[in-house]
Amino acid sequence: ETGVTQSPTHLIKTRGQQVTLRCSSQSGHNTVSWYQQALGQGPQFIFQYYREEENGRGNFPPRFSGLQFPNYSSELNVNALELDDSALYLCASSPKTWDRPQETQYFGPGTRLLVL
Amino acid sequence: DAKTTQPPSMDCAEGRAANLPCNHSTISGNEYVYWYRQIHSQGPQYIIHGLKNNETNEMASLIITEDRKSSTLILPHATLRDTAVYYCIVRARNQETSGSRLTFGEGTQLTVNP
Repeated sequence: ETGVTQSPTHLIKTRGQQVTLRCSSQSGHNTVSWYQQALGQGPQFIFQYYREEENGRGNFPPRFSGLQFPNYSSELNVNALELDDSALYLCASSPKTWDRPQETQYFGPGTRLLVL
Repeated sequence: DAKTTQPPSMDCAEGRAANLPCNHSTISGNEYVYWYRQIHSQGPQYIIHGLKNNETNEMASLIITEDRKSSTLILPHATLRDTAVYYCIVRARNQETSGSRLTFGEGTQLTVNP
């Protein structure tokens, strides 16, 4: 157990809809990263939030967006869902500080999204 | 971040040591080697990381060659619960403008047999 929680655990949407996934970071962690994991592949980095601002983004289109709140929890929003968005969405938190940037990320259990 | 190469699958007998190799021949001096594992349908679990010295914790040992071009994760007494996909990741010191991302490859599917 890492202390990182995600909701919901499973979700079914139809193509074109919008979805919001939620993540609560581990206590004391100020950084949240989101990853997408398609079936049979390794997780792919979507973006990271640090102190409520986006701090790095992977190769994902703008319809993938996020937020981080003052309590460091985070949301991932995906608009105009496509069939290929079906995946396990993982959130990871880390206690990054300016003087110790190389911090380990701890993952939540993920949200499994199915787009029909 | 440097690219890593791992065998797609390995088998190990329960109670034996599992030695998982990783090649990272293009690693640079400021890049760390991280290991995570992912049990089916769960989130990845951090195991261990190192820069150039060998490391050991309660889960595993990490052996990094002197030239840092390869490493081995050792699970000293594998159990059935160690069956998982193991990911070797090379990661630079955080670039504040690009985010401290983890770049996952395909990993090694370790199967521990009774």
